[in-house]
Amino acid sequence: EVQLVESGGGLVQPGGSLRLSCAASGFTFSSYLMSWVRQAPGKGLEWVANIKQDGGEKYYVDSVKGRFTISRDNTKNSLYLQMDSLRAEDTAVYYCARSYCGGECFLGWDYWGQGTLVTVSS
Amino acid sequence: EIVMTQSPATLSVSPGESATLSCRAGQSVSSHLAWYQQKPGQAPRLLIYTASTRATGIPARFSGSGSGTEFTLTISSLQSEDFALYYCQQYSSWPRLFTFGPGTKVDVK
Repeated sequence: EVQLVESGGGLVQPGGSLRLSCAASGFTFSSYLMSWVRQAPGKGLEWVANIKQDGGEKYYVDSVKGRFTISRDNTKNSLYLQMDSLRAEDTAVYYCARSYCGGECFLGWDYWGQGTLVTVSS
Repeated sequence: EIVMTQSPATLSVSPGESATLSCRAGQSVSSHLAWYQQKPGQAPRLLIYTASTRATGIPARFSGSGSGTEFTLTISSLQSEDFALYYCQQYSSWPRLFTFGPGTKVDVK
């Protein structure tokens, strides 16, 4: 059974840092593009970042470039999101998500974690 | 950035009726479009990819159509479990950029 379990969320002050983790199981983690997607309270979905299978390519939404870093450890079946210089507008539930197809393709995200809440407030 | 819009914002439908949701892209995304369902407190669920292909385990009452800039999700004979939020998402620029529409809420009439 495919499972994605996020952790690391919490309350942080503006300008602070937080590191999210996503533990994956039930599939060959190293074969899939992985992503972080967030949802501010009562708002819609926003893609945050992608990392390709070998970690060599990473992409970010403009609003987090230079502040967030996505990474993965295929030996530990884990995905990470290092969030620095946090702002109030980064407050959201952060989901890790798996690309529906393995390999050099994207068809949507078929498995999602339960989400972890990040609150940026003084 | 490709801007996605969805209409209507809210759709009120009676159980057993059909619902038609629209999604428009600011520029052509070919067929690189997915639809998701989200219920309160839950993660999104992939329904449709490449505009018209149902994901694994998705009932046949969900169907997608369209290409280019205009897309439609149709839910025939709405069941109680179908009342939820629905988002479209384009991935024509994968892996560099993905954008979601603002969502359509389907509620009980």
